[in-house]
Amino acid sequence: DADVTQTPRNRITKTGKRIMLECSQTKGHDRMYWYRQDPGLGLRLIYYSFDVKDINKGEISDGYSVSRQAQAKFSLSLESAIPNQTALYFCATSDEQREAGELFFGEGSRLTVL
Amino acid sequence: GQNIDQPTEMTATEGAIVQINCTYQTSGFNGLFWYQQHAGEAPTFLSYNVLDGLEEKGRFSSFLSRSKGYSYLLLKELQMKDSASYLCAVLDSNYQLIWGAGTKLIIKP
Repeated sequence: DADVTQTPRNRITKTGKRIMLECSQTKGHDRMYWYRQDPGLGLRLIYYSFDVKDINKGEISDGYSVSRQAQAKFSLSLESAIPNQTALYFCATSDEQREAGELFFGEGSRLTVL
Repeated sequence: GQNIDQPTEMTATEGAIVQINCTYQTSGFNGLFWYQQHAGEAPTFLSYNVLDGLEEKGRFSSFLSRSKGYSYLLLKELQMKDSASYLCAVLDSNYQLIWGAGTKLIIKP
């Protein structure tokens, strides 16, 4: 089983719909991240959380919200999806005891907004 | 602004050596990371450099020159399974990772 699990892996939805992407991890890491990846662009940080009570906006948080339900769970929501949110979304974790840039990624959630 | 540049695509031959370059301009520097990403899969950590010089890990090596804002990833004895994208990322002064767009490496027999 994967240490960082994302659901759903694929989702097609329509403009205006609310979408939630879920991430759970068994690595015991406190730090969790949501990224999106678009062709020709680097990974871009949406939100990150260093513990259950800590939520921070990343580079491109507009149009997104998150919830850290527990140390192991970090969900990303699109309140009203729009076509330019079509992308591959990755959840990642890191351990504060290791280098801050060593991330462990989930398998990705491919979202298509029509 | 912060910027990381790496070639979009490279082609190499099985068994050969390839060097993937990365140049960066960031607000501060707290380390440079290389990740491998196979098509349709998640990125996986390859290497970390924070001091100048070469770090070797099996067939893969990574070099850093902080004064030049430059790194490279060297892959030796290329195998078909090395066909993937290689992502360069820099940890800036706020300990945020800034990512390059990635270099797609195509290995030919």
